[in-house]
Amino acid sequence: AQSVTQLGSHVSVSEGALVLLRCNYSSSVPPYLFWYVQYPNQGLQLLLKYTTGATLVKGINGFEAEFKKSETSFHLTKPSAHMSDAAEYFCAVSDRRSQGNLIFGKGTKLSVKP
Amino acid sequence: GAGVSQSPSNKVTEKGKDVELRCDPISGHTALYWYRQSLGQGLEFLIYFQGNSAPDKSGLPSDRFSAERTGGSVSTLTIQRTQQEDSAVYLCASSLAGTSSYNEQFFGPGTRLTVL
Repeated sequence: AQSVTQLGSHVSVSEGALVLLRCNYSSSVPPYLFWYVQYPNQGLQLLLKYTTGATLVKGINGFEAEFKKSETSFHLTKPSAHMSDAAEYFCAVSDRRSQGNLIFGKGTKLSVKP
Repeated sequence: GAGVSQSPSNKVTEKGKDVELRCDPISGHTALYWYRQSLGQGLEFLIYFQGNSAPDKSGLPSDRFSAERTGGSVSTLTIQRTQQEDSAVYLCASSLAGTSSYNEQFFGPGTRLTVL
């Protein structure tokens, strides 16, 4: 069975500081990996995804993530945090054999201090 | 174009009542998913539709939960005899096709269900 673990339910950074949100997955087959962002009282928005090819994936709003098979990780980073990045972030995995339903981590709430 | 819409945005009901939650996917999206977001359980998959068929109902938590999709478009999630543990935000998502599991899922804003 697939699973996703996000380390840290709450991360706080200062504006301009590096953002690092951790995600580890468990999958018996090569997975598709996703990061979604959820702003208060809104639905989920796709930040980026890894399917095949280049393991460093760039997404919207300056975020990127690197797929590391040996570490079963897909950590999300952004070099410089903005106040507008404050939101909840979800890592998700999808089984390539499946019809696409996502298995989500518990989420990490990012706070950005001025 | 229009995104995924859900109605109502908020629903408060009494324990034991039935509720219906509606999802309008993006036009042309054949795959539709329901998820539930609750404080204790995080985001959980409920059910998947490809067209009007539901090949995967594995996430439905009990037989009080059912869903249908008509015309390959609108979907309704029905919860019968609601319980307090059903309180959650119910999210709907749609994508172009479910056979390629990397297709982006577009999420609606959700319906917040509160069972008193």
